[in-house]
Amino acid sequence: DAGVIQSPRHEVTEMGQEVTLRCKPISGHDYLFWYRQTMMRGLELLIYFNNNVPIDDSGMPEDRFSAKMPNASFSTLKIQPSEPRDSAVYFCASRDLTLTQYFGPGTRLTVL
Amino acid sequence: AQSVTQPDIHITVSEGASLELRCNYSYGATPYLFWYVQSPGQGLQLLLKYFSGDTLVQGIKGFEAEFKRSQSSFNLRKPSVHWSDAAEYFCAVGPTNAGKSTFGDGTTLTVKP
Repeated sequence: DAGVIQSPRHEVTEMGQEVTLRCKPISGHDYLFWYRQTMMRGLELLIYFNNNVPIDDSGMPEDRFSAKMPNASFSTLKIQPSEPRDSAVYFCASRDLTLTQYFGPGTRLTVL
Repeated sequence: AQSVTQPDIHITVSEGASLELRCNYSYGATPYLFWYVQSPGQGLQLLLKYFSGDTLVQGIKGFEAEFKRSQSSFNLRKPSVHWSDAAEYFCAVGPTNAGKSTFGDGTTLTVKP
């Protein structure tokens, strides 16, 4: 298996623009997590899905953030409009039945 | 509620020296405990995990961890550190019935030559 795939790996955008981050989990995993990592705040859980259904989005910072999982093999995290304080590394992770989370390589987002 | 505390933000050890990273947890039942490692520019990778049974668990890259229920601890150890072990290490507990795990704030390991 190729592991969790995230795209793009790097994104530079200007304030006010829409940003869409993409994630392909490992096949057969039933949970998918979106995290954000910054120096100031560390690793934060934003939202997670079970069998494509959002379970807990209490970590989503504002209404500007939204996430979808239309099927078992794809999820998106959208920021609209983006702000400089959204600059961070965003990780997607999927989890197998042994409760191990497998993290993608992350998307480094820079909002100018 | 579940929580994880990693008391050491940053640890520096010399190459070849032993290492112990501390992790304390709070959890309502028998915990599921994990250690993950994050190398620069990469995502987190599982080092080892504890669910039940033998309280000393072995992981990848020569790491081990010991579960001590009386101390609510799950400390990570390695007898001899290599320069390639320089990374950030995260302890995690969970998941709850709702499926959520909790990660500690991480400990950054620097290895001196």
